[in-house]
Amino acid sequence: QVHLVQSAAEVKRPGASMKISCKTSGYTFTDHHVHWVRQAPGQGLEWMGRINPNAGGTYAQKFEGRVTMTGDTSITTAYLELTGLRFDDTAVYYCARAARYYYSGIDYWGQGTTVTVSS
Amino acid sequence: NFMLTQPHSVSESPGKTVIISCTRSNGSIASTFVQWYQQRPGSSPTIVIFEGNQRPSGVPARFSGSIDRSSNSASLTISGLTTEDEADYYCQSYDTNNDVVFGGGTKLTV
Repeated sequence: QVHLVQSAAEVKRPGASMKISCKTSGYTFTDHHVHWVRQAPGQGLEWMGRINPNAGGTYAQKFEGRVTMTGDTSITTAYLELTGLRFDDTAVYYCARAARYYYSGIDYWGQGTTVTVSS
Repeated sequence: NFMLTQPHSVSESPGKTVIISCTRSNGSIASTFVQWYQQRPGSSPTIVIFEGNQRPSGVPARFSGSIDRSSNSASLTISGLTTEDEADYYCQSYDTNNDVVFGGGTKLTV
């Protein structure tokens, strides 16, 4: 079965950086893009960007300059790094697998990683 | 670019049918596939409709999707509502850069 298992919750100070991981299994890592989506408390889903494990990351304009998405094919793990954290970066961050045909949506999601930005 | 607009909330009784709309602000709703996701409280989203009207295995036939070019919108229809269907529902499409666009989400109360 396909699994995406994310790293544990984090608490960060404003201005700090975060890096969370998404360990994938049950499929060929390089055959699918991995998306990163976040959800602030009580809010909707917000797309942050995607990583093509064979190439690199493509980011939503809102996060350009603050975000880096990478993938380690040797351990089939994707990473999300966000710098210059602000209070409004407090959210649940999800990694999610794109369907084999990219335009067919997102077929598997990680369990989410809660990041709290607090002073 | 464009936005996908959904009603904030809908409510219907068990056994009834509900339709959740998703209207694209500009550009054709039919230009790229529309997906629908269900998110129960405290859980990750799961896909219930892909490519406009396709159901993944395991999703009941009570869930269906459609496109209406005249209103430039997509719709998710859930028939025979049960309390298990109570959740937030999000539509999703792609822009010209292949970036993902989500609707704002609709809270379904059964």
